[in-house]
Amino acid sequence: GESVGLHLPTLSVQEGDNSIINCAYSNSASDYFIWYKQESGKGPQFIIDIRSNMDKRQGQRVTVLLNKTVKHLSLQIAATQPGDSAVYFCAENGDSSGYSTLTFGKGTMLLVSP
Amino acid sequence: DAGVTQSPTHLIKTRGQQVTLRCSPKSGHDTVSWYQQALGQGPQFIFQYYEEEERQRGNFPDRFSGHQFPNYSSELNVNALLLGDSALYLCASSFGGPGGQDEQYFGPGTRLTVT
Repeated sequence: GESVGLHLPTLSVQEGDNSIINCAYSNSASDYFIWYKQESGKGPQFIIDIRSNMDKRQGQRVTVLLNKTVKHLSLQIAATQPGDSAVYFCAENGDSSGYSTLTFGKGTMLLVSP
Repeated sequence: DAGVTQSPTHLIKTRGQQVTLRCSPKSGHDTVSWYQQALGQGPQFIFQYYEEEERQRGNFPDRFSGHQFPNYSSELNVNALLLGDSALYLCASSFGGPGGQDEQYFGPGTRLTVT
């Protein structure tokens, strides 16, 4: 079946660096994408979302880029902090029913060194 | 304003037993979705409840069933537990009515261990 996947399982950066986490999706019908952060022992925490009619959206220290031509999604974190260390998931809502059900990738572990 | 809550936090069951997990959605939300997250994997969609009915289901066997109550809270039931059912079970809530939004808020999860 169609799924969302990630290129890098682990990303290690230094505090203060900018981080980029990538995600490839295969369902061309997906019209909504979300990035979640999951810390150990906790549920996924919403970071930022983007709809397919946009190619960029910015939040506080985070930016999501969407390239529908190559079905690619990225999360950019500016001035990465140790508290950003977590597993990051991209998810898509590509269900043709129109209901909000999410398909997740396997996740990327972000490790931030002080 | 309470977010999504789940109970219990942890649970240990034996193969063949049955388990019930509970979820209360975020205030103002009327839709509850359940996900299973195996260790090292992303969450997998089990099913979604809206207006007390299951309106969408993922690729999970009939051993997995659920219920939604008039106050929008929900239960996930798993019968005849298998070792492979050991996972973190996540509940997510959203607003699914007219003009509904896709954004889902997750609870902390229930860690189920089957021995």
